[in-house]
Amino acid sequence: KQEVTQIPAALSVPEGENLVLNCSFTDSAIYNLQWFRQDPGKGLTSLLLIQSSQREQTSGRLNASLDKSSGRSTLYIAASQPGDSATYLCAVRGYGQNFVFGPGTRLSVLP
Amino acid sequence: NAGVTQTPKFQVLKTGQSMTLQCAQDMNHEYMSWYRQDPGMGLRLIHYSVGAGITDQGEVPNGYNVSRSTTEDFPLRLLSAAPSQTSVYFCASSSDGINYGYTFGSGTRLTVV
Repeated sequence: KQEVTQIPAALSVPEGENLVLNCSFTDSAIYNLQWFRQDPGKGLTSLLLIQSSQREQTSGRLNASLDKSSGRSTLYIAASQPGDSATYLCAVRGYGQNFVFGPGTRLSVLP
Repeated sequence: NAGVTQTPKFQVLKTGQSMTLQCAQDMNHEYMSWYRQDPGMGLRLIHYSVGAGITDQGEVPNGYNVSRSTTEDFPLRLLSAAPSQTSVYFCASSSDGINYGYTFGSGTRLTVV
């Protein structure tokens, strides 16, 4: 059974710092991995989708990498801003087609 | 282009009542699913569908029913609400099972008293 973990559970950084969020999964037989952002009381917003054949994806200040063989993905946020404060979730899609979600990392960016 | 629309946004039910959470998407996605999100438990899959007329159980299906009569709609029915079903419910859809990611609705916050 696929299990997804995220480290750290919570992170607080001053504005302007670069930061890395980590996602680990136990079964490397995946189609893709998706990073989401969730604001308090809101739904999930897709940030980046990485296919299993890709190594990384970039969108603006966000860069996500995937090392399928080691079961790891990282989300790099450059020059963090208070507006980046949210919970970040990763989800992996295995051969059973369903996404399995990690518990999330709660990020606070302090002005 | 509305994406994934969930109604209602908030609902309070009494124990034993039944209700239907609505989910509709206008992206012609084949794959749709329902998750519940609870503090400390993360997102857990309730039911999913790979196309009209096809549904299957996820991780926590007990107490819930689904049907998929059209590509657009995927309602979730609570048969006899229990306090343990107090949660935030999310509907999501995807174009296929391999190449595309999920698009989520904004959620339904359900309280069972």
